[in-house]
Amino acid sequence: DGGITQSPKYLFRKEGQNVTLSCEQNLNHDAMYWYRQDPGQGLRLIYYSQIVNDFQKGDIAEGYSVSREKKESFPLTVTSAQKNPTAFYLCASSPGQQLTEAFFGQGTRLTVV
Amino acid sequence: GEDVEQSLFLSVREGDSSVINCTYTDSSSTYLYWYKQEPGAGLQLLTYIFSNMDMKQDQRLTVLLNKKDKHLSLRIADTQTGDSAIYFCAEKEGSSASKIIFGSGTRLSIRP
Repeated sequence: DGGITQSPKYLFRKEGQNVTLSCEQNLNHDAMYWYRQDPGQGLRLIYYSQIVNDFQKGDIAEGYSVSREKKESFPLTVTSAQKNPTAFYLCASSPGQQLTEAFFGQGTRLTVV
Repeated sequence: GEDVEQSLFLSVREGDSSVINCTYTDSSSTYLYWYKQEPGAGLQLLTYIFSNMDMKQDQRLTVLLNKKDKHLSLRIADTQTGDSAIYFCAEKEGSSASKIIFGSGTRLSIRP
């Protein structure tokens, strides 16, 4: 089935460690996105990529890094520089042109212990 | 910059209509969306509307767009317990091919 897959669903990290969240899509979409969701704050854009080997910072990119070496994959690394990393992280993809909808993964809940 | 605003909570009685409101600031938005999020899950697109439309109806869902006031609403007729979720309004930024801006979400709860 076509779709967008995030892994793992739950992730625990010790303070001071980097951690990488996986996002893979087989929808042949050009654009991919990472959002962070905190209670009562909706979704905030971390990074997005419109094409392979290119990405742009969103509104809250500090403490995060991404890569887009393949069309299907857009991993997000939460670095130790991110002061408050505990959150629900959502990856999405879209065809990238005029419209259309963004398709979302099921999310990864990251907890720093 | 661009902003999308929604009220955080809405409570309705089962069987009544729910109306969730949203305002946005980007007058160049070309597409506006409503997404639904159930607990612990990703977002699912419910419906969208082009900026040159005033209304779109899809079964129990009606979307109204007032472009002059930059106001979008989602009406759910005959609200059921399965409609309990967080509803997000989103706009596609007019100046960018693919950036999508989300509101804070409205948590809809259903009273028996």
